[in-house]
Amino acid sequence: GAVVSQHPSRVICKSGTSVKIECRSLDFQATTMFWYRQFPKQSLMLMATSNEGSKATYEQGVEKDKFLINHASLTLSTLTVTSAHPEDSSFYICSAPTGTGRGTDTQYFGPGTRLTVL
Amino acid sequence: GQNIDQPTEMTATEGAIVQINCTYQTSGFNGLFWYQQHAGEAPTFLSYNVLDGLEEKGRFSSFLSRSKGYSYLLLKELQMKDSASYLCAVRDGGGATNKLIFGTGTLLAVQP
Repeated sequence: GAVVSQHPSRVICKSGTSVKIECRSLDFQATTMFWYRQFPKQSLMLMATSNEGSKATYEQGVEKDKFLINHASLTLSTLTVTSAHPEDSSFYICSAPTGTGRGTDTQYFGPGTRLTVL
Repeated sequence: GQNIDQPTEMTATEGAIVQINCTYQTSGFNGLFWYQQHAGEAPTFLSYNVLDGLEEKGRFSSFLSRSKGYSYLLLKELQMKDSASYLCAVRDGGGATNKLIFGTGTLLAVQP
């Protein structure tokens, strides 16, 4: 199946710093990517839809200025958590649909990034 | 609003069969997906239903009834490695790039 990578896999930072997470589609192009956050023992919560060449679409309640998204190319989207605080500690996962146009197209998920803010 | 419900936890015995239910109420519908997620890992795709009926894939089967807003995932010949969370997700509109709305997830524990 399609491969999506994320970097870094794990990051620990001090409160007030910014952290950038990269999401890459390795063997296909993705004009759209999705960013999710998952707290322990909870399901995935969609944060935003990243669109190549245009602004990201954020879900209700997600702060645009805190979670900056840049979809620089057809294979790369980045999520920057600005001025991180301990409550931002979470598992961040990106996904990309294969977009071949078939109904069975699904989203393939990256391996996730564990963010811990001290 | 968007609402997808699953049981929070289930327990089953190795070698047995287990059915995980999912009910949904969404503004749009363009397919229902089941994902498996082991702790600390990303979800992996299991199955996809867009028409009513049963889709079978080896030990895993998934059923959909659009009129009832209902799906289930059936796991046969359970193995210990099947212990994981199972996530039901609905694609809320037309096109492969539409977002998925995830249910709460069902944590399945397979016991010897």
